[in-house]
Amino acid sequence: EAGVAQSPRYKIIEKRQSVAFWCNPISGHATLYWYQQILGQGPKLLIQFQNNGVVDDSQLPKDRFSAERLKGVDSTLKIQPAKLEDSAVYLCASSLQGGFSSPLHFGNGTRLTVT
Amino acid sequence: AQSVTQLDSQVPVFEEAPVELRCNYSSSVSVYLFWYVQYPNQGLQLLLKYLSGSTLVKGINGFEAEFNKSQTSFHLRKPSVHISDTAEYFCAVSDKGGSQGNLIFGKGTKLSVKP
Repeated sequence: EAGVAQSPRYKIIEKRQSVAFWCNPISGHATLYWYQQILGQGPKLLIQFQNNGVVDDSQLPKDRFSAERLKGVDSTLKIQPAKLEDSAVYLCASSLQGGFSSPLHFGNGTRLTVT
Repeated sequence: AQSVTQLDSQVPVFEEAPVELRCNYSSSVSVYLFWYVQYPNQGLQLLLKYLSGSTLVKGINGFEAEFNKSQTSFHLRKPSVHISDTAEYFCAVSDKGGSQGNLIFGKGTKLSVKP
């Protein structure tokens, strides 16, 4: 099966600019997650979708971050405006469902550098 | 709230030697425990998980981990490592009432296997 696809792989922007990341989960996976992984840290959940509905966005900085999952398949994560502290790898993951019997499948991530 | 402590940020080891990566967790409720591996420039991949049953859990690539409730530990072991095991390893915890979106990851341990 094809894995979780993410693009772009790398992005360099200046602070106060905007940026968008795209994720295509594994076909049939109802649950989609966006994580932020800062250098030297483990991944931190930003938002979880079940189909096209938001399950958990409690750790999403909503003043600058937004995410959508139209039609319950692909998802985009946007940052506007970016800050220096947003420099991180943004990981997308998907699973058949949100329960623990379905393992998380991660994409290779988008490495964002904000200068 | 749960937390995870990975006691070693870096572990250098020679090829064919045994290795143990240490993980301790803190939680006031029953938990599920996981180990993920991240190869350079890739997303995370599930190595193994403890949900219930036997406290000795076997995973992929010859890794195993033992859940010790009294010590609140979930150390990862491999009796003989290969160069290809060079990667970063993340321990993660979630309370049993949550979903995979509630996973709390440790800061990671970089395993470096030398010839």
